Amino acid sequence: NAGVTQTPKFQVLKTGQSMTLQCAQDMNHEYMSWYRQDPGMGLRLIHYSVGAGITDQGEVPNGYNVSRSTTEDFPLRLLSAAPSQTSVYFCASSYGGGSSYNEQFFGPGTRLTVL
Amino acid sequence: RKEVEQDPGPFNVPEGATVAFNCTYSNSASQSFFWYRQDCRKEPKLLMSVYSSGNEDGRFTAQLNRASQYISLLIRDSKLSDSATYLCVVNRRYSTLTFGKGTMLLVSP
Repeated sequence: NAGVTQTPKFQVLKTGQSMTLQCAQDMNHEYMSWYRQDPGMGLRLIHYSVGAGITDQGEVPNGYNVSRSTTEDFPLRLLSAAPSQTSVYFCASSYGGGSSYNEQFFGPGTRLTVL
Repeated sequence: RKEVEQDPGPFNVPEGATVAFNCTYSNSASQSFFWYRQDCRKEPKLLMSVYSSGNEDGRFTAQLNRASQYISLLIRDSKLSDSATYLCVVNRRYSTLTFGKGTMLLVSP
């Protein structure tokens, strides 16, 4: 199993450009999430999904869109990039299972710089 | 008050030392607690879950005090390979997580 994969690893954008960060998992996990990590801030939840067709907002959703058309994929779209979105983005997935916690597996991250 | 607060770092210790990390959380309804480890420029990885009765995994011991909303991690006999950032983490709903800012540990020879 490849686990959780993210592409690209690095990206530089200009202000106002749009792009999609890709995330895929091959573990048949129901739950998937996107986090961003900024220096001195810790990881913060952007959006999450509890299954195909179901998404919801996290702590810092503004400027980002998501959709979940398949169990495997959970892309994160930046509609109009801003310098404040310069960050490291991590995708994570876990097996569902009601209210019980299941270990989250993280992808290797995408390092995004917006000029 | 931040949802999850940790000791500021970094902690610099010699090999073989015992080091303790502390963490507090604000949401008394939180149910699940963890320590994650993050190496430089890598993704976070689960180190251990934290249970009310306390739990141990080799050189690592985690404790939870629900009344004080306090979590701790003790590392005994530190190794060079323990150098990393340790993240205190609390489960939100649907397996999403709230992270502390992390405490960096540097173990020197």
